[in-house]
Amino acid sequence: GQNIDQPTEMTATEGAIVQINCTYQTSGFNGLFWYQQHAGEAPTFLSYNVLDGLEEKGRFSSFLSRSKGYSYLLLKELQMKDSASYLCAVTDSNYQLIWGAGTKLIIKP
Amino acid sequence: IAGITQAPTSQILAAGRRMTLRCTQDMRHNAMYWYRQDLGLGLRLIHYSNTAGTTGKGEVPDGYSVSRANTDDFPLTLASAVPSQTSVYFCASSDSGFNEQFFGPGTRLTVL
Repeated sequence: GQNIDQPTEMTATEGAIVQINCTYQTSGFNGLFWYQQHAGEAPTFLSYNVLDGLEEKGRFSSFLSRSKGYSYLLLKELQMKDSASYLCAVTDSNYQLIWGAGTKLIIKP
Repeated sequence: IAGITQAPTSQILAAGRRMTLRCTQDMRHNAMYWYRQDLGLGLRLIHYSNTAGTTGKGEVPDGYSVSRANTDDFPLTLASAVPSQTSVYFCASSDSGFNEQFFGPGTRLTVL
């Protein structure tokens, strides 16, 4: 079966760094996405990885290791507005997105 | 309009009633998707359409139907609603399966 695992909830302090992990087992792999979803709102795109390595975009970075079926999202200089759920999703061999349940990130002052 | 819109924003529906959730995008995206999101389960694909005139079944298609008569519109119909269909429904679109998906604001549906 297809499976994406992420921690259910994480807590971090304003100004700090947090790493949200995602492991996946899917039928085929055509890329991995990270989305941010604030409570009561729609998911919005953060990053896309298809090759191994680190993609940096401002305060957010995403890493992929295809051989390990592993990715992480790194958030630096945390701000209160970063409190949200972070969703990991993998495009499978049929080009459909398989979604993890999301990690709720709580930022404390 | 800019982006992707959904209607209604929320709805309370009696079990057994028929309901159509509307979704419209103005980005000329080829692909469109319907998801439901339930607490602790993440987004689950109901139906999708890779291009106008074609549709496909996702992970949880039972009890739902879709049509894609043109590029912009992708309505989702519940023929006879049941309480287990209480959920938040998101419509999304993308240029292709390789590209990021853009989401509508969602419809919160309660079936009593």
